[in-house]
Amino acid sequence: DVKVTQSSRYLVKRTGEKVFLECVQDMDHENMFWYRQDPGLGLRLIYFSYDVKMKEKGDIPEGYSVSREKKERFSLILESASTNQTSMYLCASSGWDRDYEQYFGPGTRLTVT
Amino acid sequence: AQKITQTQPGMFVQEKEAVTLDCTYDTSDPSYGLFWYKQPSSGEMIFLIYQGSYDQQNATEGRYSLNFQKARKSANLVISASQLGDSAMYFCAMREVQYNTDKLIFGTGTRLQVFP
Repeated sequence: DVKVTQSSRYLVKRTGEKVFLECVQDMDHENMFWYRQDPGLGLRLIYFSYDVKMKEKGDIPEGYSVSREKKERFSLILESASTNQTSMYLCASSGWDRDYEQYFGPGTRLTVT
Repeated sequence: AQKITQTQPGMFVQEKEAVTLDCTYDTSDPSYGLFWYKQPSSGEMIFLIYQGSYDQQNATEGRYSLNFQKARKSANLVISASQLGDSAMYFCAMREVQYNTDKLIFGTGTRLQVFP
């Protein structure tokens, strides 16, 4: 059974803290994605990666960075968390099969106080 | 720029009835893919159905079918015989090919509520 896991379901951090969100997939997928989801805005792409050590900016990269040192792991980093980064964060992966369907993790609900 | 529009923020349907969730898209790329995902209150995104731009027939997956009208640039999701468990957010998405990978552009979603 395919699986994308995220390190936390719920996270509470303080303004200015450095925050790491981890995502791991076990499907040997080349592509991995980080989205944030806010009410009325749908899912917006933050960063994506199509190979180890490769990363590309999505639509809203400001205030975020990413790291992909291994194929199965894609980390999202908030260098200095701010209250406007309170959101649901979803990780996804896809491969060259099944019409590029993206498989999603369960999401991390991050609250920055 | 590519865009997905879902104009229905919320929809209600009675159990066992059919419901159509609207999705229109805009792209100049002749090759694209359209997806529908379901997101229950638990938060996970569940893939429902896929339609390729060159597919001749409308996609179907069990109770889900995609009403693909290319000339109108619409890709509506039809759920037949609604069940209480169908209550969820539904997102339409379009595949955008870039850098040999596939980004998805999502609409803002439609919240479907099924009542007894």
